[in-house]
Amino acid sequence: QVQLQESGPGLVKPSQTLSLTCTVSGGSISSGSYYWSWIRQPAGKGLEWIGRIYTSGSTNYNPSLKSRVTISVDTSKNQFSLKLSSVTAADTAVYYCAREGRGFGVRPWGQGTLVTVSS
Amino acid sequence: QSVLTQPPSVSAAPGQKVTISCSGSSSNIGNNYVSWYQQLPGTAPKLLIYENNKRPSGIPDRFSGSKSGTSATLGITGLQTGDEADYYCGTWDSSLSAGRGVFGGGTKLTVL
Repeated sequence: QVQLQESGPGLVKPSQTLSLTCTVSGGSISSGSYYWSWIRQPAGKGLEWIGRIYTSGSTNYNPSLKSRVTISVDTSKNQFSLKLSSVTAADTAVYYCAREGRGFGVRPWGQGTLVTVSS
Repeated sequence: QSVLTQPPSVSAAPGQKVTISCSGSSSNIGNNYVSWYQQLPGTAPKLLIYENNKRPSGIPDRFSGSKSGTSATLGITGLQTGDEADYYCGTWDSSLSAGRGVFGGGTKLTVL
């Protein structure tokens, strides 16, 4: 079965760029009709959709973050990545990578990684 | 403030049934599929329902989903203490040119 695992720095300084990678195992990132997504959750709050990428490279971003977000895919490594620039404390959250299938069915999810923005 | 509106909390006794509502608009629920997620404390969300009422493999039939107009409902029967969790609805929103995924604010289920 497909599994996802986030990796990247747990601490980022304000104004810098947050960079995370999601490694997909148990299946090819190129197979099937799936979107590969990033979703975040500040402590004690709800889920916020960041964006997604199709294996063709086409992307969709949350308009509230669009000017700062880049999602890319590396099919040779079976990975996709998130870059969020000019971060502030408001970007502190648990970041999840996930696979989106039919009917906005997001499954599976990575375990999540906490990213703290602080100097 | 979330695009989709859920009640902050619901509660019911073990063995009973509970429903959780998710209200949206024509730009999201009204014209797109709805999914539901369960998030146990300290864990990643888990997909319970997709395409309004379909259950992924491994999800018991105690969980059900429905949609009518611009609202959706998650139903859970035969409540167990292990069902205590936060529940989120999600869908695609087409109100902006490029669209975006949206989630409800979440509902905390307490099994008394």
